[in-house]
Amino acid sequence: AQSVTQLDSHVSVSEGTPVLLRCNYSSSYSPSLFWYVQHPNKGLQLLLKYTSAATLVKGINGFEAEFKKSETSFHLTKPSAHMSDAAEYFCVVMREAAGNKLTFGGGTRVLVKP
Amino acid sequence: GAVVSQHPSWVICKSGTSVKIECRSLDFQATTMFWYRQFPKQSLMLMATSNEGSKATYEQGVEKDKFLINHASLTLSTLTVTSAHPEDSSFYICSARDRSPNYGLAGEQYFGPGTRLTVT
Repeated sequence: AQSVTQLDSHVSVSEGTPVLLRCNYSSSYSPSLFWYVQHPNKGLQLLLKYTSAATLVKGINGFEAEFKKSETSFHLTKPSAHMSDAAEYFCVVMREAAGNKLTFGGGTRVLVKP
Repeated sequence: GAVVSQHPSWVICKSGTSVKIECRSLDFQATTMFWYRQFPKQSLMLMATSNEGSKATYEQGVEKDKFLINHASLTLSTLTVTSAHPEDSSFYICSARDRSPNYGLAGEQYFGPGTRLTVT
């Protein structure tokens, strides 16, 4: 069975400081992993995805994530937070053995202080 | 890019009535669409997988007679909440998977903006 755990339900950072959102996964196979962002009352937007290519994945808006198999982690980072980064972030694992269904983590709400 | 729309964006209905939500892929064909439910301040939970031309498959615990799904074309899936009750109030989100030659390599899903349902 595949699952994903986001270790922080809330993260608060100051504008211009680094952001770290932690995600651990459980998978029987080499997983495909995604990070999505959801702004209030908006749909989900794909930030980046890992599909067994390079372990350091660069996404949109300056975000990147590193796949670490030994730690079963896929943490999302950004060197300098912007006010517009305030949103809900979801780490997602794809269940390839189940028709590519997505399993979502619990989400991390990011607050950016001016 | 791939765009998925949902209609309506929000709806208020009375208890006992039925509500239909549409999900459309605007610039690509989708043999598979997914329906999710999101309660306030919670994550998305997959309700069902909608396959064009066949019956939807429902996740455990989701009542198929209450949440009717129809995927009549490669660009349209509908979710009908029948005999809605206040506990059905939620944010319903659909996603669609591109029926492209790259199907299966990344399995990327494109999400609609969601429909907020309030049952009074």
